[in-house]
Amino acid sequence: EVRLVESGGDLVQPGGSLRLSCAASGLKVSSDYISWVRQAPGRGLEWVSVIFGGGGTTQYADSVKDRFTISRDGAKNTVYLQMDSLRAEDTAVYYCATDSANGFRFNFWGQGTLVTVSS
Amino acid sequence: DIVMTQSPDSVAVSLGERATIKCKSSQTVLYTSNNLNYLAWYQQTPGQPPKLLIHWASTRGPGVPGRFIGSGSGTDFTLTISDLQAEDVAIYYCQQYYGTPPTFGQGTRVEIK
Repeated sequence: EVRLVESGGDLVQPGGSLRLSCAASGLKVSSDYISWVRQAPGRGLEWVSVIFGGGGTTQYADSVKDRFTISRDGAKNTVYLQMDSLRAEDTAVYYCATDSANGFRFNFWGQGTLVTVSS
Repeated sequence: DIVMTQSPDSVAVSLGERATIKCKSSQTVLYTSNNLNYLAWYQQTPGQPPKLLIHWASTRGPGVPGRFIGSGSGTDFTLTISDLQAEDVAIYYCQQYYGTPPTFGQGTRVEIK
């Protein structure tokens, strides 16, 4: 059974940094596509970033490019999202998500971790 | 980016009746080489992550009740919930996974009338 557990969400000031973690079981993060998807309070879903299985190619939404970095640790079977230069509009629940058959469809989700950017 | 537009934003339906949600993409999500529509539907209840209901526009996910029916092709899609149950109260999102970035519709809230 695939299980994803996010952690690291917190209250941070604008301009600050935070690192989120997504601990996986039931799959290998080094072999599967893992994405981060966020949801601002009361709003819809926005895909943020993906790290591909195998070579580890990464992609980002324009809204976070050059500020966020996705990475993985195969030994810990964990994916990370390093978030720098945070803005109020980054406030959201951040989910990690994956799919067993397609890199940009999501049939497994974690419970999410809340990031609040506020002074 | 492919823009996904859902209608309506909200719908209220009596128990046992049918709810219909539309989703339109700004460009086709039909991959002609395999004749598959790269379109998914998700259900999100309060405080929970989204749950994949439908993929390939019309294939139900494991354990998804038969009252959830996905249809459509190309740029126009429909999610029909027949025989609405109380546990179907949720927000429903369509999502295309044809192009990068994957994009979602704004969501449709389904309520009981």
